Amino acid sequence: NAGVTQTPKFQVLKTGQSMTLQCAQDMNHEYMSWYRQDPGMGLRLIHYSVGAGITDQGEVPNGYNVSRSTTEDFPLRLLSAAPSQTSVYFCASSQNRGRLEQYFGPGTRLTVT
Amino acid sequence: DAKTTQPNSMESNEEEPVHLPCNHSTISGTDYIHWYRQLPSQGPEYVIHGLTSNVNNRMASLAIAEDRKSSTLILHRATLRDAAVYYCILRDVGFSNGQNFVFGPGTRLSVLP
Repeated sequence: NAGVTQTPKFQVLKTGQSMTLQCAQDMNHEYMSWYRQDPGMGLRLIHYSVGAGITDQGEVPNGYNVSRSTTEDFPLRLLSAAPSQTSVYFCASSQNRGRLEQYFGPGTRLTVT
Repeated sequence: DAKTTQPNSMESNEEEPVHLPCNHSTISGTDYIHWYRQLPSQGPEYVIHGLTSNVNNRMASLAIAEDRKSSTLILHRATLRDAAVYYCILRDVGFSNGQNFVFGPGTRLSVLP
């Protein structure tokens, strides 16, 4: 199993540009989520999904969209990038909503200039 | 979810035991205690979790105070690879708020050779 994969590893955007961060898992996990991590801080939840077709907002959802058309994929879209979205983004998955062990991807480092 | 308090940083010598404390004085009876760690430039990694009883696994031990207002993650023999940020997180077993994990700033553990 590849586990949780994220692409790209690094990305630089100009203010106002849009892009999609990709996340995929091959463990048939129902639950997937996106976090952002700013320097010196912990992780903050952006959006999560409890299964294909079902998504919900986390702590810091503004400026981000998600969709979950398949169990495997959970892309995160930045609609109009802002410097405040400069961060490291982590995708995570777990077997289902009730499972306590989450698996994290390696992260995408995003810089918005 | 109830909040946790951890020291910002700790140091240990290689091959010595490490005790990482976590205070959670407002923990509720249905909160699980989780520990994750984040190695440099990687996503968080599950370490251990518990509810009331002490727990052991191949990575670490979790000692939970009798009143559950504090817990301690124990690494029995620290190695250089254990240098990471360690997060203590509470999550309600009922997941009633739909939220996933709330990661605070954690404890940065340095291991000296």
